[in-house]
Amino acid sequence: GESVGLHLPTLSVQEGDNSIINCAYSNSASDYFIWYKQESGKGPQFIIDIRSNMDKRQGQRVTVLLNKTVKHLSLQIAATQPGDSAVYFCAENRGSQGNLIFGKGTKLSVKP
Amino acid sequence: EPEVTQTPSHQVTQMGQEVILRCVPISNHLYFYWYRQILGQKVEFLVSFYNNEISEKSEIFDDQFSVERPDGSNFTLKIRSTKLEDSAMYFCASSGNRNTGELFFGEGSRLTVL
Repeated sequence: GESVGLHLPTLSVQEGDNSIINCAYSNSASDYFIWYKQESGKGPQFIIDIRSNMDKRQGQRVTVLLNKTVKHLSLQIAATQPGDSAVYFCAENRGSQGNLIFGKGTKLSVKP
Repeated sequence: EPEVTQTPSHQVTQMGQEVILRCVPISNHLYFYWYRQILGQKVEFLVSFYNNEISEKSEIFDDQFSVERPDGSNFTLKIRSTKLEDSAMYFCASSGNRNTGELFFGEGSRLTVL
């Protein structure tokens, strides 16, 4: 069935290293793909999005890559910091009213 | 910075009771959403609301659920007769633009049904 999912449930990195979080999707019709960060006890927080007609977008310390050929989305975090520790969800905007379909989440732990 | 606020932060209720979760979206936003997250699981879409009516709803959003925007600032989710499986964190979100993925989420209301 159609779904957005994540390859790894947990990722542990050393402070200062780069992190890469991956996501697979199956619906080619989605317009936007988005990454959200959720810290413990809080709501999801928007990080970055990418439109389906792009393959790369950069933000502050983050880069999202979209490979439509293999339906793969990744989030790269440069120089990972302890404050980056959270669960990261990929999501896709499928609905006509901006409804998001979330993946299962990857927990990123940053070791000092 | 404007934010979405939700109340209560935690509600404990008995099975079969009615619950109302409240949200104040960001003031100039036009699109409103409810999502839920069962502990340790992914965030699931419930309903979207625009122009004083439901735009889209998921299979989870059955007849026990309703939403309302009773005035110009509040957006509520009502569960008429709660079930044990309704226990979850409920997130309200709002957006100024439906054509991106940038939703602004509140901190959630944790519902525990006993």
